[in-house]
Amino acid sequence: QSALTQPPSASGSPGQSVTISCTGTSSDIGAYNYVSWYQQHPGKAPKLMIYEVNKRPSGVPDRFSGSKSGNTASLTVSGLQAEDEADYYCSSYGGAELFGGGTKLTVL
Amino acid sequence: EVYLVESGGGLVQPGGSLRLSCAASGFTFSTYWMDWVRQAPGKGLEWVASIKKDGSQKDYVDSVKGRFTIFRDNAQNSLYLQMNSLRVEDTAVYYCVRDRAYATFDCWGQGTLVTVSS
Repeated sequence: QSALTQPPSASGSPGQSVTISCTGTSSDIGAYNYVSWYQQHPGKAPKLMIYEVNKRPSGVPDRFSGSKSGNTASLTVSGLQAEDEADYYCSSYGGAELFGGGTKLTVL
Repeated sequence: EVYLVESGGGLVQPGGSLRLSCAASGFTFSTYWMDWVRQAPGKGLEWVASIKKDGSQKDYVDSVKGRFTIFRDNAQNSLYLQMNSLRVEDTAVYYCVRDRAYATFDCWGQGTLVTVSS
């Protein structure tokens, strides 16, 4: 069982917004502002989408945003597009297990 | 552009050994921590090991301590993972990743598959 807890699945229709949560503890998410989110399409390597809670690397659309409250971090995808369908993983510095279990995002 | 290219994966029997390599280009290799992350078939991501810029500090997930060794050659812009006493549960795609700071992995290789089976 992963130290960071994510819902196994999430879904939304094109154009809608969806939020994926990542719950940790006061030793990881609650203690550091080093939360990252990764997108992984089938058969591909993961891609960094958000780092340090809410920063986007160059080239990542601003439809992707991150936030944190207490021991829970969130990734919001606005204006859902078909290509957003993928697995999403959160991670946080400080945890015994670095990554969450992953959330499969389905665009309906 | 940043490139990380892994090699060395393959089929090995339980108890066997394998060495993974990662060739880095497009950035100043010696100024970054580097890590290995793995993904078992159909499963999530698991951090395996990390190494400091100069190789002076190494960390491992508990399940590989004493069996795996991470090391690097900054002159050759290369990262390695020596895997000994391999177990069936080590079967996974192994990714070489660049760590921008505090376990933030901003660049990933394409991965190399390690299969441990008799």
